[in-house]
Amino acid sequence: NAGVTQTPKFRVLKTGQSMTLLCAQDMNHEYMYWYRQDPGMGLRLIHYSVGEGTTAKGEVPDGYNVSRLKKQNFLLGLESAAPSQTSVYFCASTSINQPQHFGDGTRLSIL
Amino acid sequence: GNSVTQMEGPVTLSEEAFLTINCTYTATGYPSLFWYVQYPGEGLQLLLKATKADDKGSNKGFEATYRKETTSFHLEKGSVQVSDSAVYFCALSPNRGGGFKTIFGAGTRLFVKA
Repeated sequence: NAGVTQTPKFRVLKTGQSMTLLCAQDMNHEYMYWYRQDPGMGLRLIHYSVGEGTTAKGEVPDGYNVSRLKKQNFLLGLESAAPSQTSVYFCASTSINQPQHFGDGTRLSIL
Repeated sequence: GNSVTQMEGPVTLSEEAFLTINCTYTATGYPSLFWYVQYPGEGLQLLLKATKADDKGSNKGFEATYRKETTSFHLEKGSVQVSDSAVYFCALSPNRGGGFKTIFGAGTRLFVKA
């Protein structure tokens, strides 16, 4: 009963490097989300998807791209990492009229 | 627009003390309200929810009542334990029941001392 799985759990990057964070859910949820969590800032929505093949910008989308090629997967990409993107990233999924289910997070440090 | 405001932390209590974490919201229509809990190193987990005015959500000894007249959803527990130490997030969803977009408060960190 995996729920929402995020990989990797930890990563250290150098400024300018690129990487992709993977989120996978096995609950057949339509909606998926990427958030970042920073001290004192709560959760901020980066991008979200309302279905396979669709994505939309959230509150803080700059510097990130996403793709939802399969219903169960939602990828978050950093094209050119910056120190300001050091954060904990959470993926969540849900269906209509249900609360969101969260993964355990990816801790990303950019040097 | 929609927003959630919750009391700043950290809140530090002794074991068996009474807990209140205040949460107020601004929303149009009839949102659903939630409390999520985040334990160290983990993601957020749903603690309880209420989908209409005067509903009381409850779980693991925690309670919160949806008060439309005061636009509040305060979290309470009669006797906290060390294992309740975590960050608590109040949240609302404009759609009844949850889903599509959820607005989160900034979180309140709770420390419980033995």
